[in-house]
Amino acid sequence: QKEVEQNSGPLSVPEGAIASLNCTYSDRVSQSFFWYRQYSGKSPELIMSIYSNGDKEDGRFTAQLNKASQYVSLLIRDSQPSDSATYLCAVNRPISGGYNKLIFGAGTRLAVHP
Amino acid sequence: GAVVSQHPSRVICKSGTSVKIECRSLDFQATTMFWYRQFPKKSLMLMATSNEGSKATYEQGVEKDKFLINHASLTLSTLTVTSAHPEDSSFYICSASSGSSSPLHFGNGTRLTVT
Repeated sequence: QKEVEQNSGPLSVPEGAIASLNCTYSDRVSQSFFWYRQYSGKSPELIMSIYSNGDKEDGRFTAQLNKASQYVSLLIRDSQPSDSATYLCAVNRPISGGYNKLIFGAGTRLAVHP
Repeated sequence: GAVVSQHPSRVICKSGTSVKIECRSLDFQATTMFWYRQFPKKSLMLMATSNEGSKATYEQGVEKDKFLINHASLTLSTLTVTSAHPEDSSFYICSASSGSSSPLHFGNGTRLTVT
């Protein structure tokens, strides 16, 4: 079982629709969860971070976390063609020195068509 | 603006040569930085954790003698790909965090092509 699992997609949604991206993780000690967006040939950029159960909203983005189910999701409302990218789910794993290293899922490719 | 700077953004080198990639944290001190590698259409794979003033911690399967990491200051980590081979061609990305619970910020990445 992979530590962080995502459906590779592509997930195709029409412009203006809600895109729903899902992620499951295996390590119950993880406490921090992140969604990154990566355009082709570019490095990832942080979209959302979530640390506690429930929903967290930021503009058109909503992250949802359910630690009991080891599940984290990202909703994108009013999807735009510019949202077309690969979305990476990342989960922390504590390491020595009080720091964490991030374990990434394989990413879900989102395609928003006009 | 960018909080992590990576240089160079693109490099082409001949097989057998070495290439050094620099990663700098611009607005904060980073005692720990991370080096990732990404092959086309694949996920980010953590290569090593760079620790300021001490040896790097390498992930399983990553050759420490081939991928030399130096973290000599709180704002600079370097990755040197030694005796590069065509199969080392990849996208290398560094990242750093300003705190243990803070998210990682990524550099712009280095596209390495070994001919």
